[in-house]
Amino acid sequence: ETGVTQSPTHLIKTRGQQVTLRCSSQSGHNTVSWYQQALGQGPQFIFQYYREEENGRGNFPPRFSGLQFPNYSSELNVNALELDDSALYLCASSWGLTGYNEQFFGPGTRLTVL
Amino acid sequence: DQQVKQNSPSLSVQEGRISILNCDYTNSMFDYFLWYKKYPAEGPTFLISISSIKDKNEDGRFTVFLNKSAKHLSLHIVPSQPGDSAVYFCAAPEGGSQGNLIFGKGTKLSVKP
Repeated sequence: ETGVTQSPTHLIKTRGQQVTLRCSSQSGHNTVSWYQQALGQGPQFIFQYYREEENGRGNFPPRFSGLQFPNYSSELNVNALELDDSALYLCASSWGLTGYNEQFFGPGTRLTVL
Repeated sequence: DQQVKQNSPSLSVQEGRISILNCDYTNSMFDYFLWYKKYPAEGPTFLISISSIKDKNEDGRFTVFLNKSAKHLSLHIVPSQPGDSAVYFCAAPEGGSQGNLIFGKGTKLSVKP
């Protein structure tokens, strides 16, 4: 059974650029959630996708957008990058919608915005 | 406004002793709590959970205690081992149809041999 994988591992961008992060769900999972973990903070919920539809969004601006594909893999897109977007971006997959189902996290993508 | 708080950024204990990690919450609607452990360069991994209908849940060396009246939970690790050195996050599901978790800031545990 393959776990959650994310690519790339690290990324350096400049302010104003756009970035796409990718996540492959654990086999059999139909739900993907994205979290942002800034330095010294806990993961903060960005949004969740269930069966290719967005199901819930945290306090993030519209320049954070996502997609989920029929194979349940997912992308996180961030436009017009700002310095404060520098963080570890975590993807988590689970079976079903609720937070009561165990979420399995990938290793994250470390984004640095200069 | 933080709904889940971990007020101790770090904790250092000797191998073989007890580690106690604390977590407070403000939302009385929370009815389920989880602890995740995170090693550097890895994603958080689920450790143990507790439902609000219980006040204790045990899994091997790990025990979580819940005090609903105080809105406080704690994770006990006995005995602590060097491999337990990691960042520990307390989390709660937002609830309802929302599938997200609300995390505390984490406590970095260092277990010294």
